[in-house]
Amino acid sequence: EVQLVESGGGLVQPGGSLRVSCAASGIDFGNYAMSWVRQAPGKGLEWVCSVGHGGDNPYYGDSVKGRFIISRDNSRSTLFLQMDRLRAEDTAIYYCAQHSGTDMIRLSSWGQGTLVLVSS
Amino acid sequence: QLTQSPSSLSASVGDRVSLTCQASQYITNFLNWYQQKPGKAPKLLIFDASHLAPGVPSRFSGSGSGTHFTLTIDGLQPDDFATYFCQHYDYVPPLTFGGGTKVEV
Repeated sequence: EVQLVESGGGLVQPGGSLRVSCAASGIDFGNYAMSWVRQAPGKGLEWVCSVGHGGDNPYYGDSVKGRFIISRDNSRSTLFLQMDRLRAEDTAIYYCAQHSGTDMIRLSSWGQGTLVLVSS
Repeated sequence: QLTQSPSSLSASVGDRVSLTCQASQYITNFLNWYQQKPGKAPKLLIFDASHLAPGVPSRFSGSGSGTHFTLTIDGLQPDDFATYFCQHYDYVPPLTFGGGTKVEV
């Protein structure tokens, strides 16, 4: 069974930085593209970024481009999201999600999410 | 851009309900559906517009192509009261989500 466990969320001041992680188990992590999707309180889903199975080909949404960096360590089956210059509108639950393969078309498994709260 | 309608609907156990997702441009069958229950992560239900994800009950079905897509639940069960999101993909990101339809008692 696939398990994705996010960690590292918390309260951060506007302009600050935070790194969240996603530990994967039950899959051969290096065979799958991965994404981060976020959900602001009471709102819908917003795709944040994706990375290829080898750590290449990162893609970013316009709202986070230049501020967030997605990366992965396949030897540790872990996905990361480095978030800099955080804004109040970045407040959301951040979900790590596994694609169905090396493509980036559907999200087959999701973690439980980690809450990032940007506030002074 | 994906527009889901209605934004919410009220239904009863046993009902047949249909949720709509309208794309602003032609997207062939590049559309997935997810279910999200309160406080939980989304779960993949339907991929490529009409294919049931593993383990999803057969009362769920998806149809459509081009710009108009439908998720149908035939015989609503208590476990089905949730919010449903459609999602478009292309050969590379971005992934685009619709605003969601909440199915309530």
